[in-house]
Amino acid sequence: QLQLQESGPGLVKPSDTLSLTCTVSGGSISSSDYYWGWIRQPPGKGLQWIGTISYRGSTYNNPSLRSRVSISGDTSKNQFSLKLSSVTAADTAVYYCARLPRGIQLWLTYFDYWGQGILVTVSS
Amino acid sequence: DIQLTQSPSSLSASVGDRITITCRASQDISNSLAWFQQKPGKAPQSLIYGASTLQSGVPSKFSGSGSGTDFTLTISGLQSEDFATYYCQQYSTYPLSFGGGTNVDI
Repeated sequence: QLQLQESGPGLVKPSDTLSLTCTVSGGSISSSDYYWGWIRQPPGKGLQWIGTISYRGSTYNNPSLRSRVSISGDTSKNQFSLKLSSVTAADTAVYYCARLPRGIQLWLTYFDYWGQGILVTVSS
Repeated sequence: DIQLTQSPSSLSASVGDRITITCRASQDISNSLAWFQQKPGKAPQSLIYGASTLQSGVPSKFSGSGSGTDFTLTISGLQSEDFATYYCQQYSTYPLSFGGGTNVDI
């Protein structure tokens, strides 16, 4: 059974870099059938796509965050990670990692399995 | 960027009701639309993809329809566990985007 688990600090200082890791079990991030992504949800608000990584390590990021976002994968640990630099209070949110099945348009697809999410607060 | 507008933003319903939620895209997205259910404090769960295909394990009381710019999610025979927030997501065009959500409460 596929499981995704986010981990990382729950508190980050303004201007620092937010770093999160998603550990995948019951599936492989090396599989060409799937992509892996990050989504966030500010408290009481809606969902925002952050970025996606392919099994080959290619990344696709939301242009509204692009310059601050870095997504990478570690196939040896079956993990993928998110780094968001120069954070402000506006980056306070629950961060989810998720799987995306490869579609007709490859990485342009939907999220079929989600991790439980991790709340990250940006505050001094 | 494609904007997704959900309506209504909230609705009140009763157990046993049939409800319909609408998602309108700012441009043609063909059938590249998914629906999710999110309960308080929980991660979203996939319900429908391809506008009308039920995700494995999702009960048939959920149904989706539409193409182009107008889509609907219908839930028949509402049960207590269906009271949640529902989101649509388009995957036709970069960047991926979500609707603002529809909160369904008692």
